[in-house]
Amino acid sequence: KQEVTQIPAALSVPEGENLVLNCSFTDSAIYNLQWFRQDPGKGLTSLLLIQSSQREQTSGRLNASLDKSSGRSTLYIAASQPGDSATYLCAVRPNSGGYQKVTFGTGTKLQVIP
Amino acid sequence: GAGVSQSPRYKVAKRGQDVALRCDPISGHVSLFWYQQALGQGPEFLTYFQNEAQLDKSGLPSDRFFAERPEGSVSTLKIQRTQQEDSAVYLCASSLQGPHNEQFFGPGTRLTVL
Repeated sequence: KQEVTQIPAALSVPEGENLVLNCSFTDSAIYNLQWFRQDPGKGLTSLLLIQSSQREQTSGRLNASLDKSSGRSTLYIAASQPGDSATYLCAVRPNSGGYQKVTFGTGTKLQVIP
Repeated sequence: GAGVSQSPRYKVAKRGQDVALRCDPISGHVSLFWYQQALGQGPEFLTYFQNEAQLDKSGLPSDRFFAERPEGSVSTLKIQRTQQEDSAVYLCASSLQGPHNEQFFGPGTRLTVL
């Protein structure tokens, strides 16, 4: 059974700092990996999706990398802003047994202090 | 609206009551998913529809949980004889075609069972 772990569980940084969020997964047989942000009382907003054949994806100040063989992904946030404060979730989609069986991590709660 | 909508946003039920949660996916989206998110945890897969067909219900925690999508659009998640452990946020997501496509999430319904 796929297990997804996110470290740290919570992170507090001053505005302007660069930071890295980590996601690890136990089964490398994945179709893709997706990073989401979740604001309190709201649903999930997709940030970046990396296909299993890709190494990284970038969107604005966000960069996500994928090392499938070692079961790791990182989300890099450059020049953090208070508006980045949210919980960040990674989700892994398997490449067999049903693409719908997405496994989420428990998230990293980020606070960016002005 | 252009996104996934869910209603009600909040529901308080007494233990033993039946509840029905509604999801309106993005128009034209073939696939629809339900997830359960307990406090401090990542979402967990419940069930998946392709049009009106429920192709996977392996994540439903008990036979008190029932989901339907009779016309291939709106979906309802019904929980019978609610228990305190059912308290969670229930998230709905839809994707344009199959389950391997990017999923778009609704804001969720927060269910509290007293």
